[in-house]
Amino acid sequence: DARVTQTPRHKVTEMGQEVTMRCQPILGHNTVFWYRQTMMQGLELLAYFRNRAPLDDSGMPKDRFSAEMPDATLATLKIQPSEPRDSAVYFCASLPQHGGMNTEAFFGQGTRLTVV
Amino acid sequence: GENVEQHPSTLSVQEGDSAVIKCTYSDSASNYFPWYKQELGKRPQLIIDIRSNVGEKKDQRIAVTLNKTAKHFSLHITETQPEDSAVYFCAARFNKFYFGSGTKLNVKP
Repeated sequence: DARVTQTPRHKVTEMGQEVTMRCQPILGHNTVFWYRQTMMQGLELLAYFRNRAPLDDSGMPKDRFSAEMPDATLATLKIQPSEPRDSAVYFCASLPQHGGMNTEAFFGQGTRLTVV
Repeated sequence: GENVEQHPSTLSVQEGDSAVIKCTYSDSASNYFPWYKQELGKRPQLIIDIRSNVGEKKDQRIAVTLNKTAKHFSLHITETQPEDSAVYFCAARFNKFYFGSGTKLNVKP
């Protein structure tokens, strides 16, 4: 059963510290999304990659957030420095390479981040 | 970009009743409309989807309707069961997925 894998599942950190979240998309999926979920904002799109290239990161606070895909099996989302308002669940989702436009996005289990 | 609005934010029904959740979208280029169910502490998972060339789709107790002219689509759950209790998200996609704000459905036994 192929799944999107995210690590860590939970992270508690102090304000000002760097946080790195990782995502392993399903093998063969070439499109990756990062979402942030809070009680107030629902699922908020942060960044979008296709074939490892960032296509859109307009939803991401540029001063502290960065997203990369160093290779096809790894996507990272980094926050530096972290702030309490960054506390949320961060989801990664991926799509298959030949799925075309009308294809389901598969979600990882999420990383629950708490910044104290 | 796309703007997806979802209503209601919370919905409480009696077991066996029907539940309807509605979404509107703004980008006429959107051509794929999935619905996700998220149980507490878990990942969103697809329950049904509809493409822009179809007006209605049904899968057992779940159905989705799409009105492209009016830019709205709806999720219908019939004969609700307590295990249907969860948060439901609609989404619209052209390139990126834009999600609605979610509906918390509570099915009372």
